[in-house]
Amino acid sequence: EAQVTQNPRYLITVTGKKLTVTCSQNMNHEYMSWYRQDPGLGLRQIYYSMNVEVTDKGDVPEGYKVSRKEKRNFPLILESPSPNQTSLYFCASSLRGRNSNTEAFFGQGTRLTVV
Amino acid sequence: AQSVAQPEDQVNVAEGNPLTVKCTYSVSGNPYLFWYVQYPNRGLQFLLKYITGDNLVKGSYGFEAEFNKSQTSFHLKKPSALVSDSALYFCAVRDIAGGYNKLIFGAGTRLAVHP
Repeated sequence: EAQVTQNPRYLITVTGKKLTVTCSQNMNHEYMSWYRQDPGLGLRQIYYSMNVEVTDKGDVPEGYKVSRKEKRNFPLILESPSPNQTSLYFCASSLRGRNSNTEAFFGQGTRLTVV
Repeated sequence: AQSVAQPEDQVNVAEGNPLTVKCTYSVSGNPYLFWYVQYPNRGLQFLLKYITGDNLVKGSYGFEAEFNKSQTSFHLKKPSALVSDSALYFCAVRDIAGGYNKLIFGAGTRLAVHP
């Protein structure tokens, strides 16, 4: 089954404790991205990756890092989480990053709470 | 800058009645428009898209959307609502600035279908 898998689904952590949210897709998609969803703001893009070893900032990248060492994986790293990063996070993938009208596939989300 | 507006935070409709979830957009050039649905504790699921062609687009679960270029709208519709349609709905436009496949989302509209 074609899917995007995120882990963990739920996470409560303390301020400053580094964490990683994993994302993996099995569709051989080139393009992957991370979004955060906040009430009244919809989804905003954090980082994206056009292909292996090619990443760039989205609209709200502060406080986050990503890496793309393999095509299928795109982890989101919070080096020093703060309470304002409490949010619902989604990983997404689509076939290509440029000149593509195909839809994006989303993971089930990670609800992160930073206390 | 490209943007999407969903003017209603919540839409309430009785089961069996037609439903409309509104979306307007602002883009430079031709719009590529999408609707996604988020059920409780689930990721975003693709419903339908407009790229070109017929203004009435049919999608999953009996939903359809009407593209109106003069009104810059892409409203989601269904002839007869089901209680199981209750969810959070997002309209999105593909941002072509920089040429890569970024989605700009609206704030979301919560649809509540009452028995």
